[in-house]
Amino acid sequence: RKEVEQDPGPFNVPEGATVAFNCTYSNSASQSFFWYRQDCRKEPKLLMSVYSSGNEDGRFTAQLNRASQYISLLIRDSKLSDSATYLCVKYGGSQGNLIFGKGTKLSVKP
Amino acid sequence: ETGVTQTPRHLVMGMTNKKSLKCEQHLGHNAMYWYKQSAKKPLELMFVYNFKEQTENNSVPSRFSPECPNSSHLFLHLHTLQPEDSALYLCASSLGMGTAIDTQYFGPGTRLTVL
Repeated sequence: RKEVEQDPGPFNVPEGATVAFNCTYSNSASQSFFWYRQDCRKEPKLLMSVYSSGNEDGRFTAQLNRASQYISLLIRDSKLSDSATYLCVKYGGSQGNLIFGKGTKLSVKP
Repeated sequence: ETGVTQTPRHLVMGMTNKKSLKCEQHLGHNAMYWYKQSAKKPLELMFVYNFKEQTENNSVPSRFSPECPNSSHLFLHLHTLQPEDSALYLCASSLGMGTAIDTQYFGPGTRLTVL
């Protein structure tokens, strides 16, 4: 099993829709997770950190299910500007050791 | 945003060339990183420097040689690369706290093509 697995998508949704991505991970000892956003041909940027059961920031909610070893990202009321690739990231336990998934592509249509 | 800058933004080189990628961070951070992002593959951590000392080398071939003269600058020296080394090379920096909450900030990347 890959360390971090994501459905590559693309997820094509209309504006205003609610969309959710899941990410599964191996190694149940993993403690911390992140969602990064990467726009086309740009660098990744941190969207949310997930240290305990979950985190909410405006329209974005991240949840962690340690028993089933997955993290989810929920986006409510999608905007055109939410179109991007969302990267699920696991902290590998040593300095700077972030383990990235391949990303899930989201396309929000008018 | 100019927190982490990288030059050049695009580079085309032959397999026998020698070139260097440069990264500079203006955030007062102590840790710097090189990542490789190939098409259809996840970001791969290559090197980690913390307070100018290399702390991680993820089995990267010796044709990639990092250099960190100070906490603000990071170089990646390239020589005798292969076409499969063509990728986006991303630099990142962080405070260097050595914990999970040590957020990494990425530069815009150098898109490298090896002919």
